[in-house]
Amino acid sequence: EADIYQTPRYLVIGTGKKITLECSQTMGHDKMYWYQQDPGMELHLIHYSYGVNSTEKGDLSSESTVSRIRTEHFPLTLESARPSHTSQYLCASSGAASGNTIYFGEGSWLTVV
Amino acid sequence: AQSVTQPDIHITVSEGASLELRCNYSYGATPYLFWYVQSPGQGLQLLLKYFSGDTLVQGIKGFEAEFKRSQSSFNLRKPSVHWSDAAEYFCAVAPNQAGTALIFGKGTTLSVSS
Repeated sequence: EADIYQTPRYLVIGTGKKITLECSQTMGHDKMYWYQQDPGMELHLIHYSYGVNSTEKGDLSSESTVSRIRTEHFPLTLESARPSHTSQYLCASSGAASGNTIYFGEGSWLTVV
Repeated sequence: AQSVTQPDIHITVSEGASLELRCNYSYGATPYLFWYVQSPGQGLQLLLKYFSGDTLVQGIKGFEAEFKRSQSSFNLRKPSVHWSDAAEYFCAVAPNQAGTALIFGKGTTLSVSS
């Protein structure tokens, strides 16, 4: 069982608000990822990190930003939320300790009204 | 570019019947292949993976998948479906180097009828 945690699980906020979705893993994984998933649709990679102080944008353009100051922590921030940001955000991690298999958190459902 | 195709958007199977979910990938070399399951409102749970070796891999919950290089396929199977198997199933591929980001198919929704 993977130990990767996301908070909040569900969030409803107003347009223009700044939000941070938290993601932490206790497995010592060096690689972490953020995927975005609209209801009933496939997952798209929006950010990834291969280690501390390393972040890259994924295949799907996103207005969110990420940081990786500590190995176990990979927060995602939206400076000014808009209704188009309404989606599920899934955090994941992988590393040698898990045979490089990617494990997912339970997701954060964001609704911007 | 790598891609994953899941041809069936929605499948309905009777409880106790067998199941096969199709997955085709496009990639030059042998990729790393995965099946994940997602229940409503939940994250993704890894069912099984193929890295190398035996082309028939066993996973959790009684699922298995077979890698067929000649068909670029990695179909998921279960001999007898249970009502609790109703969920969304995603096939995914990673490049040769394990641990890099996954590319997902669009998913197949499985409904189980009684």
